[in-house]
Amino acid sequence: KQEVTQIPAALSVPEGENLVLNCSFTDSAIYNLQWFRQDPGKGLTSLLLIQSSQREQTSGRLNASLDKSSGRSTLYIAASQPGDSATYLCAVSGTDYKLSFGAGTTVTVRA
Amino acid sequence: GEEVAQTPKHLVRGEGQKAKLYCAPIKGHSYVFWYQQVLKNEFKFLISFQNENVFDETGMPKERFSAKCLPNSPCSLEIQATKLEDSAVYFCASSLRAEDTQYFGPGTRLTVL
Repeated sequence: KQEVTQIPAALSVPEGENLVLNCSFTDSAIYNLQWFRQDPGKGLTSLLLIQSSQREQTSGRLNASLDKSSGRSTLYIAASQPGDSATYLCAVSGTDYKLSFGAGTTVTVRA
Repeated sequence: GEEVAQTPKHLVRGEGQKAKLYCAPIKGHSYVFWYQQVLKNEFKFLISFQNENVFDETGMPKERFSAKCLPNSPCSLEIQATKLEDSAVYFCASSLRAEDTQYFGPGTRLTVL
């Protein structure tokens, strides 16, 4: 059974600082990995998807890396803004395509 | 549509009553996934569909849960005889192909009293 862990559980930074969110998974036989953002009481917004054959993906201020062999992914958010405050979730899929989620990292960016 | 739509937004049921949730996937997407979010961030996969066919139902408590995706109709998730522990937010997601990005709807919050 795939276990996904996200560290830290919570993070508070001043505006402008770079954010580093970590995700680890126990079974390296993944098909892809997705990073999501969830605002309180809302659904999930997909941020980035990395296929198992890729090492990283970038979108604007977001960059996600994937090291499948060691079971790790890192999401970097550059020059954080108060609007980046949310819970960030990492999810991996195997060949069955269903997502296994981590418990999330709750980020607060202080103005 | 361009977004996954879920109705209703909130649903309150007495223990033992039936609950039915609906999901309209993004137009053109062939795959639909249902997840249950209990507590704050604990997600559990329930079932997935490829068009109207069940793709994977390994997460479904089959004795009380059922789901359908019929042509030209929203997909549905039905819970017969709800229990207190069914209280959760139920999310639907759709993807173009199984291996593509899963786009999530806003969820339905089910409260069982």
